[in-house]
Amino acid sequence: NAGVTQTPKFQVLKTGQSMTLQCAQDMNHEYMSWYRQDPGMGLRLIHYSVGAGITDQGEVPNGYNVSRSTTEDFPLRLLSAAPSQTSVYFCASSPQGAQTYGYTFGSGTRLTVV
Amino acid sequence: DAKTTQPNSMESNEEEPVHLPCNHSTISGTDYIHWYRQLPSQGPEYVIHGLTSNVNNRMASLAIAEDRKSSTLILHRATLRDAAVYYCILRADRGSTLGRLYFGRGTQLTVWP
Repeated sequence: NAGVTQTPKFQVLKTGQSMTLQCAQDMNHEYMSWYRQDPGMGLRLIHYSVGAGITDQGEVPNGYNVSRSTTEDFPLRLLSAAPSQTSVYFCASSPQGAQTYGYTFGSGTRLTVV
Repeated sequence: DAKTTQPNSMESNEEEPVHLPCNHSTISGTDYIHWYRQLPSQGPEYVIHGLTSNVNNRMASLAIAEDRKSSTLILHRATLRDAAVYYCILRADRGSTLGRLYFGRGTQLTVWP
């Protein structure tokens, strides 16, 4: 049971490049989310999904796309990287229902856009 | 979105109890109170959650006020490994914010040896 796996752990992009941050979970969790964390700040929700085929925007969705074709995977796509997207990105998953245990977070992807 | 208010920082000595407060005066009846912590250079880690009654687990205890407008995370004996940022979060069980977590800045806990 690997939990939530994020790849890559580190990435440097040039402005304008595109890339996909991968997130996979093996716990059969319905809910998955992407967050970004800037230095000294709390996490901000980018996109989330309550099940395969269902996604919605969070607080800061601009410049990012997501899709959820399977329960296990929830990739985050940066369409045209900008220096403002330099951040640490966390993926998280949770069983359905707030009465259950909380979200399990991945170890993060540290992205630098130059 | 329901908001929470926490002190920016707190300090404790090792092996002493720590009480981390959180105010959530706009909480709705279906919001669960969740606590997470984030150690340096790691992703957040779930600690505990509750709805109305006090809760205990191996990591901590959660005390919830009778009116649910505040709660306190209790670490019974702080260790150096408990030094982290602690986040108090309201998680909706239904409605437009179903399943989402909204993080504030949390409380930075410093533990002194």
